[in-house]
Amino acid sequence: EVQLVESGGRVVHLGDSLKLSCAASGFTFKDNAMNWVRQVPGKGLEWVCLISWDGGTYYADSVKGRFTVSRDNENNSLYLQMDSLRPEDTALYYCTKFLYYDSGEPVAMDVWGTGTTVIVSS
Amino acid sequence: DIQLTQSPSFLSASVGDTVIITCRASQGIGNYLAWYQQKPGRAPKLLMFVASTLQSGVPSRFSGSGSGTEFTLTISSLQPEDFATYYCQQVNIFPPFTFGPGTIVDIK
Repeated sequence: EVQLVESGGRVVHLGDSLKLSCAASGFTFKDNAMNWVRQVPGKGLEWVCLISWDGGTYYADSVKGRFTVSRDNENNSLYLQMDSLRPEDTALYYCTKFLYYDSGEPVAMDVWGTGTTVIVSS
Repeated sequence: DIQLTQSPSFLSASVGDTVIITCRASQGIGNYLAWYQQKPGRAPKLLMFVASTLQSGVPSRFSGSGSGTEFTLTISSLQPEDFATYYCQQVNIFPPFTFGPGTIVDIK
């Protein structure tokens, strides 16, 4: 079964750091680009960052310079290092896997974890 | 950045109805659009990719169309389990992989 399980979310204070983890199973992790997507309770979805299969990274402007995504292909794990946290970073953080189409390009996020909650208090 | 808008933002419908949700992009994205369904307390679920290809396991009452800047998600013969929030997402130009603001489909 293809599965993503996030962990590491908790209550922190303004300016703190936190590292989220995502354990992947059931697919060839090393061949897939992975994302973090977040959702403020009751609000919409916000893409946070992407790491390609070979380690290339891309970030949303809202987290650029504060968040760092990384991966450990040996242990099928994805990470999100979150520094200088702000109250507006409070959200449920999902780890997602890309679906690749015939062209070899990613076309959607076909597997989502259940999420881990980060609360940043001021 | 590409912006996505969805209309309506909320719709009330009955079981058996056909509903249509529209997603518009601020610039052309080819057919690189995905649709997701999210129920309360659950992670989003992929319904459709490249605008009109149904994800495995998704009922055929869901269909998608469009290209360029305008896309639609149609749910034919709405079922009780279809009451949820629906999001579109563009995957053509990144960063960011923009999501639409969502459409809530509520039971009348």
